[in-house]
Amino acid sequence: DTGVSQNPRHKITKRGQNVTFRCDPISEHNRLYWYRQTLGQGPEFLTYFQNEAQLEKSRLLSDRFSAERPKGSFSTLEIQRTEQGDSAMYLCASSRQGAPNEKLFFGSGTQLSVL
Amino acid sequence: AQSVTQLDSQVPVFEEAPVELRCNYSSSVSVYLFWYVQYPNQGLQLLLKYLSGSTLVKGINGFEAEFNKSQTSFHLRKPSVHISDTAEYFCAVSPNNAGNMLTFGGGTRLMVKP
Repeated sequence: DTGVSQNPRHKITKRGQNVTFRCDPISEHNRLYWYRQTLGQGPEFLTYFQNEAQLEKSRLLSDRFSAERPKGSFSTLEIQRTEQGDSAMYLCASSRQGAPNEKLFFGSGTQLSVL
Repeated sequence: AQSVTQLDSQVPVFEEAPVELRCNYSSSVSVYLFWYVQYPNQGLQLLLKYLSGSTLVKGINGFEAEFNKSQTSFHLRKPSVHISDTAEYFCAVSPNNAGNMLTFGGGTRLMVKP
């Protein structure tokens, strides 16, 4: 299966620690997105890359959050000094710009629990 | 700004019965509307989308949705549901037809009972 891959699937951390998640998009997809989903809510857009360029950032993405896509392939999302409110499912999606029927393909997510 | 409201957080229904999941949106610009499904432990999957043209849109797994501009609605329907349709359904709106930077509703859990 060559879908969107996210690692780890689950992460438990203590408040104040830093965490990093990884997303591997579908290989020919040049657009990559991060969303956050809290329990009982729909996903919320965080940020969006086209190739290696970060084109959009939501105001939800505080200074403690940073996302990178250094070579236009995989992406990492780092949260510094985690807070309990950061507990959520972090979703990654990818798409191919200009595809006739462009659509987002989502990964299964990384579940973060901050204790 | 765009927003999406899904009026029902849970919809229980018996197998082979029809179902409608409601979605209303608000937008100050042109809208492109989507329905996604999330099965347990799986990623979100696109069911269908409305970009332009016919207001009745057909999607995968026998689902369809109707765009109603005057009612600002995009309700999802299926004439006969199966146990396998049990999942979380999300309505979403995008400012562009690529469907990125989606704004999602809170979701509706469809529970199909035998």
